[in-house]
Amino acid sequence: GENVGLHLPTLSVQEGDNSIINCAYSNSASDYFIWYKQESGKGPQFIIDIRSNMDKRQGQRVTVLLNKTVKHLSLQIAATQPGDSAVYFCAEKIQGGSEKLVFGKGTKLTVNP
Amino acid sequence: EAGVAQSPRYKIIEKRQSVAFWCNPISGHATLYWYQQILGQGPKLLIQFQNNGVVDDSQLPKDRFSAERLKGVDSTLKIQPAKLEDSAVYLCASGGVGETQYFGPGTRLLVL
Repeated sequence: GENVGLHLPTLSVQEGDNSIINCAYSNSASDYFIWYKQESGKGPQFIIDIRSNMDKRQGQRVTVLLNKTVKHLSLQIAATQPGDSAVYFCAEKIQGGSEKLVFGKGTKLTVNP
Repeated sequence: EAGVAQSPRYKIIEKRQSVAFWCNPISGHATLYWYQQILGQGPKLLIQFQNNGVVDDSQLPKDRFSAERLKGVDSTLKIQPAKLEDSAVYLCASGGVGETQYFGPGTRLLVL
Protein backbone atom coordinates (compact mmCIF):
# COMPACT_ATOMS: atom_id res chain seq x y z
CA GLY A 1 0.00 0.00 0.00
CA GLU A 2 0.94 3.65 0.10
CA ASN A 3 3.07 4.31 3.17
CA VAL A 4 5.33 7.20 2.54
CA GLY A 5 6.81 9.07 5.42
CA LEU A 6 7.71 6.98 8.47
CA HIS A 7 9.61 9.58 10.40
CA LEU A 8 10.15 11.49 13.57
CA PRO A 9 7.43 14.12 13.56
CA THR A 10 9.76 16.81 14.93
CA LEU A 11 13.47 17.50 14.76
CA SER A 12 15.29 20.22 16.66
CA VAL A 13 18.87 21.22 15.80
CA GLN A 14 21.28 23.99 16.62
CA GLU A 15 22.13 26.58 14.02
CA GLY A 16 25.17 25.48 12.08
CA ASP A 17 24.65 21.77 12.71
CA ASN A 18 23.79 19.33 9.96
CA SER A 19 20.22 18.01 9.82
CA ILE A 20 19.06 14.63 8.62
CA ILE A 21 15.39 14.02 7.88
CA ASN A 22 14.33 10.49 7.09
CA CYS A 23 11.51 8.97 5.13
CA ALA A 24 10.54 5.37 4.41
CA TYR A 25 8.41 4.22 1.52
CA SER A 26 6.74 0.91 0.87
CA ASN A 27 6.05 0.87 -2.86
CA SER A 28 8.93 -0.70 -4.75
CA ALA A 29 7.36 0.52 -8.00
CA SER A 30 8.08 4.14 -7.12
CA ASP A 31 10.67 5.62 -9.44
CA TYR A 32 10.81 9.28 -8.51
CA PHE A 33 11.10 10.99 -5.17
CA ILE A 34 10.90 14.63 -4.15
CA TRP A 35 11.59 16.57 -0.99
CA TYR A 36 9.43 19.62 -0.33
CA LYS A 37 9.79 22.34 2.29
CA GLN A 38 6.64 23.98 3.61
CA GLU A 39 6.83 27.11 5.70
CA SER A 40 3.89 28.22 7.79
CA GLY A 41 1.13 29.67 5.66
CA LYS A 42 2.78 28.76 2.37
CA GLY A 43 2.55 26.02 -0.21
CA PRO A 44 5.18 23.27 -0.46
CA GLN A 45 8.40 24.44 -2.09
CA PHE A 46 10.50 22.07 -4.19
CA ILE A 47 13.92 21.36 -2.67
CA ILE A 48 15.46 18.44 -4.49
CA ASP A 49 14.45 15.32 -6.34
CA ILE A 50 16.00 11.97 -7.19
CA ARG A 51 15.15 9.20 -9.61
CA SER A 52 15.32 5.55 -8.68
CA ASN A 53 18.36 4.95 -10.89
CA MET A 54 20.41 7.14 -8.57
CA ASP A 55 21.62 6.70 -4.97
CA LYS A 56 22.59 10.25 -4.20
CA ARG A 57 21.99 13.73 -5.48
CA GLN A 58 23.40 16.97 -4.21
CA GLY A 59 22.09 20.50 -4.34
CA GLN A 60 23.02 23.68 -2.61
CA ARG A 61 23.50 22.68 1.07
CA VAL A 62 21.15 19.72 0.57
CA THR A 63 21.79 16.10 -0.30
CA VAL A 64 19.22 13.39 -0.90
CA LEU A 65 20.14 9.75 -0.40
CA LEU A 66 18.08 6.88 -1.72
CA ASN A 67 18.45 3.33 -0.46
CA LYS A 68 16.22 1.13 -2.56
CA THR A 69 17.19 -2.02 -0.69
CA VAL A 70 15.48 -0.86 2.47
CA LYS A 71 13.15 1.65 0.76
CA HIS A 72 14.58 4.60 2.62
CA LEU A 73 15.04 8.21 1.62
CA SER A 74 16.85 10.91 3.55
CA LEU A 75 17.41 14.64 3.24
CA GLN A 76 20.60 16.09 4.63
CA ILE A 77 20.87 19.82 5.19
CA ALA A 78 24.35 21.16 5.81
CA ALA A 79 25.01 24.07 8.17
CA THR A 80 21.34 24.40 9.08
CA GLN A 81 20.10 27.96 9.33
CA PRO A 82 17.06 29.48 11.09
CA GLY A 83 15.49 29.97 7.65
CA ASP A 84 15.48 26.21 7.23
CA SER A 85 12.84 25.89 9.95
CA ALA A 86 9.79 24.39 8.28
CA VAL A 87 7.93 21.14 7.73
CA TYR A 88 9.67 18.82 5.27
CA PHE A 89 7.73 16.31 3.21
CA CYS A 90 8.96 13.46 1.11
CA ALA A 91 6.80 12.42 -1.82
CA GLU A 92 6.97 9.49 -4.21
CA LYS A 93 5.71 8.88 -7.71
CA ILE A 94 4.78 5.41 -8.82
CA GLN A 95 6.34 4.28 -12.08
CA GLY A 96 3.95 4.24 -14.99
CA GLY A 97 1.29 6.03 -13.03
CA SER A 98 -0.47 9.28 -13.61
CA GLU A 99 2.32 11.51 -12.21
CA LYS A 100 0.45 11.30 -8.92
CA LEU A 101 2.60 12.13 -5.91
CA VAL A 102 1.99 10.42 -2.58
CA PHE A 103 3.13 12.53 0.35
CA GLY A 104 4.22 11.51 3.81
CA LYS A 105 3.02 13.28 6.93
CA GLY A 106 6.10 15.47 7.21
CA THR A 107 8.80 16.32 9.73
CA LYS A 108 8.87 19.65 11.47
CA LEU A 109 12.40 21.01 11.65
CA THR A 110 13.18 23.66 14.25
CA VAL A 111 16.54 25.41 14.13
CA ASN A 112 17.64 26.95 17.39
CA PRO A 113 19.92 30.00 17.23
CA GLU B 1 8.91 33.39 -13.82
CA ALA B 2 5.54 33.79 -12.14
CA GLY B 3 4.48 30.96 -9.89
CA VAL B 4 1.17 29.23 -9.43
CA ALA B 5 -1.51 31.72 -8.42
CA GLN B 6 -4.50 30.87 -6.24
CA SER B 7 -7.44 32.81 -4.91
CA PRO B 8 -8.91 33.48 -2.51
CA ARG B 9 -6.19 32.95 0.09
CA TYR B 10 -8.69 32.50 2.91
CA LYS B 11 -12.35 31.57 3.07
CA ILE B 12 -14.72 31.04 5.95
CA ILE B 13 -18.14 29.54 5.26
CA GLU B 14 -20.87 27.74 7.14
CA LYS B 15 -21.58 24.06 6.57
CA ARG B 16 -23.88 23.31 3.67
CA GLN B 17 -22.76 26.45 1.85
CA SER B 18 -20.88 26.38 -1.44
CA VAL B 19 -17.37 27.59 -2.16
CA ALA B 20 -15.12 27.84 -5.20
CA PHE B 21 -11.37 28.14 -5.53
CA TRP B 22 -9.42 29.38 -8.53
CA CYS B 23 -5.97 28.42 -9.80
CA ASN B 24 -3.77 29.85 -12.53
CA PRO B 25 -0.83 27.52 -13.24
CA ILE B 26 2.63 28.40 -14.42
CA SER B 27 2.53 29.38 -18.07
CA GLY B 28 3.04 26.43 -20.37
CA HIS B 29 2.44 23.74 -17.76
CA ALA B 30 0.16 21.09 -19.19
CA THR B 31 -0.57 19.31 -15.94
CA LEU B 32 -2.55 20.81 -13.09
CA TYR B 33 -3.27 19.24 -9.72
CA TRP B 34 -5.59 20.01 -6.82
CA TYR B 35 -4.56 18.74 -3.40
CA GLN B 36 -6.26 18.82 -0.02
CA GLN B 37 -4.01 19.31 3.00
CA ILE B 38 -5.58 18.74 6.39
CA LEU B 39 -3.76 20.29 9.33
CA GLY B 40 -0.77 18.21 10.36
CA GLN B 41 -0.82 16.00 7.28
CA GLY B 42 0.78 15.89 3.88
CA PRO B 43 -1.12 16.99 0.78
CA LYS B 44 -3.53 14.47 -0.72
CA LEU B 45 -4.29 14.52 -4.42
CA LEU B 46 -7.91 15.27 -5.29
CA ILE B 47 -7.73 15.59 -9.06
CA GLN B 48 -5.18 15.81 -11.85
CA PHE B 49 -5.70 17.41 -15.25
CA GLN B 50 -3.56 17.15 -18.32
CA ASN B 51 -4.50 20.05 -20.53
CA ASN B 52 -8.30 20.08 -20.13
CA GLY B 53 -8.75 16.35 -19.56
CA VAL B 54 -9.01 14.55 -16.23
CA VAL B 55 -6.20 12.05 -15.64
CA ASP B 56 -6.94 11.00 -12.08
CA ASP B 57 -9.91 11.89 -9.88
CA SER B 58 -10.03 8.68 -7.88
CA GLN B 59 -9.79 10.49 -4.53
CA LEU B 60 -12.21 13.31 -5.34
CA PRO B 61 -15.47 13.08 -3.32
CA LYS B 62 -17.61 13.49 -6.38
CA ASP B 63 -20.86 13.82 -4.46
CA ARG B 64 -19.78 17.25 -3.30
CA PHE B 65 -16.54 18.21 -5.06
CA SER B 66 -16.17 19.18 -8.70
CA ALA B 67 -13.37 20.67 -10.73
CA GLU B 68 -12.90 21.91 -14.24
CA ARG B 69 -10.19 23.21 -16.51
CA LEU B 70 -12.17 24.16 -19.56
CA LYS B 71 -9.51 25.85 -21.69
CA GLY B 72 -6.55 23.88 -20.42
CA VAL B 73 -5.17 26.78 -18.40
CA ASP B 74 -7.04 28.07 -15.31
CA SER B 75 -8.95 25.71 -13.10
CA THR B 76 -11.68 25.96 -10.50
CA LEU B 77 -12.46 23.58 -7.65
CA LYS B 78 -15.92 23.71 -6.11
CA ILE B 79 -17.39 22.23 -2.96
CA GLN B 80 -21.17 22.02 -2.72
CA PRO B 81 -22.36 21.57 -0.01
CA ALA B 82 -19.43 21.96 2.36
CA LYS B 83 -19.02 19.84 5.47
CA LEU B 84 -17.04 20.54 8.62
CA GLU B 85 -14.42 17.98 7.61
CA ASP B 86 -13.66 19.94 4.44
CA SER B 87 -11.76 22.47 6.53
CA ALA B 88 -8.27 22.30 5.08
CA VAL B 89 -5.81 24.02 2.80
CA TYR B 90 -6.52 23.48 -0.87
CA LEU B 91 -3.34 23.52 -2.89
CA CYS B 92 -2.99 23.85 -6.63
CA ALA B 93 0.16 22.64 -8.36
CA SER B 94 1.31 22.55 -11.96
CA GLY B 95 4.06 20.90 -13.95
CA GLY B 96 5.13 19.81 -17.37
CA VAL B 97 4.55 16.17 -18.26
CA GLY B 98 6.96 14.06 -16.24
CA GLU B 99 8.35 17.09 -14.45
CA THR B 100 8.40 18.39 -10.91
CA GLN B 101 5.20 19.82 -9.49
CA TYR B 102 5.25 23.42 -8.32
CA PHE B 103 2.73 24.52 -5.73
CA GLY B 104 0.75 27.68 -5.21
CA PRO B 105 0.26 29.31 -1.79
CA GLY B 106 -3.02 27.52 -1.16
CA THR B 107 -6.51 28.54 -0.07
CA ARG B 108 -7.26 28.08 3.59
CA LEU B 109 -10.87 26.99 4.06
CA LEU B 110 -12.65 26.98 7.40
CA VAL B 111 -16.11 25.45 7.52
CA LEU B 112 -18.13 26.41 10.61
